[in-house]
Amino acid sequence: GQQVMQIPQYQHVQEGEDFTTYCNSSTTLSNIQWYKQRPGGHPVFLIQLVKSGEVKKQKRLTFQFGEAKKNSSLHITATQTTDVGTYFCAGFLGGSYIPTFGRGTSLIVHP
Amino acid sequence: DAMVIQNPRYQVTQFGKPVTLSCSQTLNHNVMYWYQQKSSQAPKLLFHYYDKDFNNEADTPDNFQSRRPNTSFCFLDIRSPGLGDAAMYLCATSREGALYEQYFGPGTRLTVT
Repeated sequence: GQQVMQIPQYQHVQEGEDFTTYCNSSTTLSNIQWYKQRPGGHPVFLIQLVKSGEVKKQKRLTFQFGEAKKNSSLHITATQTTDVGTYFCAGFLGGSYIPTFGRGTSLIVHP
Repeated sequence: DAMVIQNPRYQVTQFGKPVTLSCSQTLNHNVMYWYQQKSSQAPKLLFHYYDKDFNNEADTPDNFQSRRPNTSFCFLDIRSPGLGDAAMYLCATSREGALYEQYFGPGTRLTVT
């Protein structure tokens, strides 16, 4: 079945450092979504990428979708303590509305 | 203005004692999902409803059942909880189609004693 691999599982950074998490799919995706889950909270939708090579920005967050639509990344510039949480990617196969979640990357920001 | 509500937020049950978790939504979304999430893991889809059509994931144990009496409400029944069923249970909703995001409820933390 479809698998979405996400690395790293954990990332410790000093406040102000950059952070990147990567997702890789075994099959071509139609689109990919990113979610953030704060400690003790529930996943909250961040963004969706649909087009090959698409890049979207939200303030300090930059999201990319690979040319082959098999990989994606989330990059945070100059992390802040408010960025703490687990970031999940969720990939969709063509025609399906059921996402396959990556394992998530837990970001720990040290002040 | 809560959109996806889950009750209770915390549930303690005894080994083997049936338990029901509830979810309601004010978004009028067609699709409702139940996920199980264990510590440091991704949400694992148990099943989902597309309107009244029930869709079970192949690896969801028979111990887990669900009901959706109307568009707004969905229930998760665990017939005989085992220690391994202790987890966070997340309800989510979305419009139909892959291009719509999922809205998650706050979750119910289930403890099995």
